[in-house]
Amino acid sequence: DVKVTQSSRYLVKRTGEKVFLECVQDMDHENMFWYRQDPGLGLRLIYFSYDVKMKEKGDIPEGYSVSREKKERFSLILESASTNQTSMYLCASSLILWGIQPQHFGDGTRLSIL
Amino acid sequence: AQSVTQLDSQVPVFEEAPVELRCNYSSSVSVYLFWYVQYPNQGLQLLLKYLSGSTLVKGINGFEAEFNKSQTSFHLRKPSVHISDTAEYFCAVSPDSGGGADGLTFGKGTHLIIQP
Repeated sequence: DVKVTQSSRYLVKRTGEKVFLECVQDMDHENMFWYRQDPGLGLRLIYFSYDVKMKEKGDIPEGYSVSREKKERFSLILESASTNQTSMYLCASSLILWGIQPQHFGDGTRLSIL
Repeated sequence: AQSVTQLDSQVPVFEEAPVELRCNYSSSVSVYLFWYVQYPNQGLQLLLKYLSGSTLVKGINGFEAEFNKSQTSFHLRKPSVHISDTAEYFCAVSPDSGGGADGLTFGKGTHLIIQP
């Protein structure tokens, strides 16, 4: 069974801090994704990566960056956290970029920026 | 580009009653369709998917969905719900070829509330 592990379930940070959210998958998937989930807005794609050191912007990349130095690990970075980045963050991985193969999700990190 | 509309943000239903969660999509190309479920304090997991073939697809936990191309719909149904079905349900669509950031688009979710 695919396991996607997000390092923290809950995180509280202060405005202006640099924040790192970590995600690790154990199924040798090529593709990894970061979403944020907000009530009434569903899931919105922040960034995705289709290979080591490769990344693509999603729908809402502003204020975020990502790092993929190893195949199994995909990090989301908030360069200077702001209160409007308080949200639930979900990481996912998949064998194929889009289409037939589903995405496998971690349990999420609930991030609060004070 | 594609979009997904889940018409109901919340659906309350009594235990053992049937339920239908509605999903409509728009796309200029052929698509694959998915339903994901998110139980409280968990990530999303795949409930079922439509890729091709029979328009009625069966998923886990007794759920099924029917693809209707003419109405661009993919409604989710269960004949008898249980308290454990309380969750957020997301419809998602992906083009059947190509990629990029338009790949997988989620609806805004429907919160299924089961009342005893």
